[in-house]
Amino acid sequence: GEDVEQSLFLSVREGDSSVINCTYTDSSSTYLYWYKQEPGAGLQLLTYIFSNMDMKQDQRLTVLLNKKDKHLSLRIADTQTGDSAIYFCAEAGSARQLTFGSGTQLTVLP
Amino acid sequence: DADVTQTPRNRITKTGKRIMLECSQTKGHDRMYWYRQDPGLGLRLIYYSFDVKDINKGEISDGYSVSRQAQAKFSLSLESAIPNQTALYFCATSDLRRGANEQFFGPGTRLTVL
Repeated sequence: GEDVEQSLFLSVREGDSSVINCTYTDSSSTYLYWYKQEPGAGLQLLTYIFSNMDMKQDQRLTVLLNKKDKHLSLRIADTQTGDSAIYFCAEAGSARQLTFGSGTQLTVLP
Repeated sequence: DADVTQTPRNRITKTGKRIMLECSQTKGHDRMYWYRQDPGLGLRLIYYSFDVKDINKGEISDGYSVSRQAQAKFSLSLESAIPNQTALYFCATSDLRRGANEQFFGPGTRLTVL
């Protein structure tokens, strides 16, 4: 079945850029997503990218997709303490269901 | 997302009890989902429904059942709760008309089974 993998933890200094990486196995993925989960809250959709694109930028967020290597990344520029959260990568395969990664806990240090 | 609500937000129960978690949405979406979240495992799909008459099992449906009472309501039941069903449960919705199939999540229900 489909599998999505992420590293569990990332720490960065306030003001630096954060890069969260994700790999997936389903070559038929149509859309790939990034969600953010703050403590005690549900998942908030940050952005998504269609599989025929290789980059999408939205203010401080840049999504890069390498379809050949099945690698997705989320770059957060000028990371702030409010960006501390768990970030989930997810992909929509041929069945149009989402498969989520285990989440990356981003900690922003002052 | 305030358009997707879940009740209760927290629940502590005992092994063997029947529990129902409820989800309501005002987004007008046709698709609804139930997930559970466990630390280090991400979200796993329990059941999903594409409309009132369409219910499908997800990756981990054993021990759970669902009911789609209306387009806006989707309930998850644990007929006889067991401790390894202790988790955070999320409801989500999506709109068939949106090609990207973005899912919008409720705030979650924290369930503890003693």
